[in-house]
Amino acid sequence: GNSVTQMEGPVTLSEEAFLTINCTYTATGYPSLFWYVQYPGEGLQLLLKATKADDKGSNKGFEATYRKETTSFHLEKGSVQVSDSAVYFCALTTYNQGGKLIFGQGTELSVKP
Amino acid sequence: ETGVTQTPRHLVMGMTNKKSLKCEQHLGHNAMYWYKQSAKKPLELMFVYSLEERVENNSVPSRFSPECPNSSHLFLHLHTLQPEDSALYLCASSQGTGEVSPLHFGNGTRLTVT
Repeated sequence: GNSVTQMEGPVTLSEEAFLTINCTYTATGYPSLFWYVQYPGEGLQLLLKATKADDKGSNKGFEATYRKETTSFHLEKGSVQVSDSAVYFCALTTYNQGGKLIFGQGTELSVKP
Repeated sequence: ETGVTQTPRHLVMGMTNKKSLKCEQHLGHNAMYWYKQSAKKPLELMFVYSLEERVENNSVPSRFSPECPNSSHLFLHLHTLQPEDSALYLCASSQGTGEVSPLHFGNGTRLTVT
């Protein structure tokens, strides 16, 4: 079946450090891929998405490229801020699932000043 | 008010109580979802409603009973819960259940079962 695997957290970085959160997936067909972010005490918010191979999603300085050959969708940011501290979820959906999202387990990011 | 609103934000209930969680969306979406978020586990999809009809029930115990009276409102009725049901319950909505309809989430109800 379809699944998403993220790197284990927590990830602790200093402000202005480079961020990578790894995400790999297993899916039949051609999934759409998403990153969601959950700030403390809040629900999840869509951060970025990519719907086909080699697409790059970007938002708020975050980027992720849909790599079909490595079945990956790693999240990157060149310079993190304290306000980026949150839990990040990678997710996928495929046409044959009627749009229902399958989430990874989430990766907690903590950015220190 | 815009977005997806969930009430209450926090709920403590005994195992013999009956309570309901409420979700309201002001986005004009026609699909609504209940997810369960437990510590150190992936989000679990519980129920999906599309145009007020239940289209998904992921083997959820009958002590959880959803209700969708219209496309803007979704309830989760709770009765005789177990301590392991303590979790954050998230409601979400989307324009449809099509492939790239992103989900919009509420802030969740933190449920503690004592």
